[in-house]
Amino acid sequence: EPEVTQTPSHQVTQMGQEVILRCVPISNHLYFYWYRQILGQKVEFLVSFYNNEISEKSEIFDDQFSVERPDGSNFTLKIRSTKLEDSAMYFCASTRDLQPQHFGDGTRLSIL
Amino acid sequence: AQTVTQSQPEMSVQEAETVTLSCTYDTSESNYYLFWYKQPPSRQMILVIRQEAYKQQNATENRFSVNFQKAAKSFSLKISDSQLGDTAMYFCAFMKGTGGATNKLIFGTGTLLAVQP
Repeated sequence: EPEVTQTPSHQVTQMGQEVILRCVPISNHLYFYWYRQILGQKVEFLVSFYNNEISEKSEIFDDQFSVERPDGSNFTLKIRSTKLEDSAMYFCASTRDLQPQHFGDGTRLSIL
Repeated sequence: AQTVTQSQPEMSVQEAETVTLSCTYDTSESNYYLFWYKQPPSRQMILVIRQEAYKQQNATENRFSVNFQKAAKSFSLKISDSQLGDTAMYFCAFMKGTGGATNKLIFGTGTLLAVQP
């Protein structure tokens, strides 16, 4: 069964540094999402992406965040200047319309 | 705005027994979907079961079934013949049924289920 792939599985970064989290969605999916889960808390929506543009973003997704689909397969989340509170598990998900979203295994981001 | 509430932070069940996890939601939408996702200690997010709001019949997936009460806005998950591998955090989630990329998932706070041998 096709899978959503995320790399790296764990990223450790100094505060203030830029970080890029990568995702390869399932190939025939059209809608892409990033979610965040701070340790011990619920999963929160960050952003949705369709047809090469952001469709919706949450209040968490401020100017420090950006998403890109540079080459038709990868889907990236960039945090420009990381803060301690950005430490979390970041999940990428993809779907065809109105189908359950398939999640990747997540990237655990640790900001020091 | 839609909200999802899971009022049981933790639950415990003996192996082979049945357990029910509760979820309530609030929405003014008439067309929507509800999901249960499982998150084991590895922290993957695994779809357990899905329910379309327009379907009266409760969804079933092997040992997992739901009790969907649309008027009460309740969506509970029943796990029969619990197995040690069912130990995980379970999240209830809501999605609008309008189609398109705005169909984000809205999650509850989760219920941590421990299956005891």
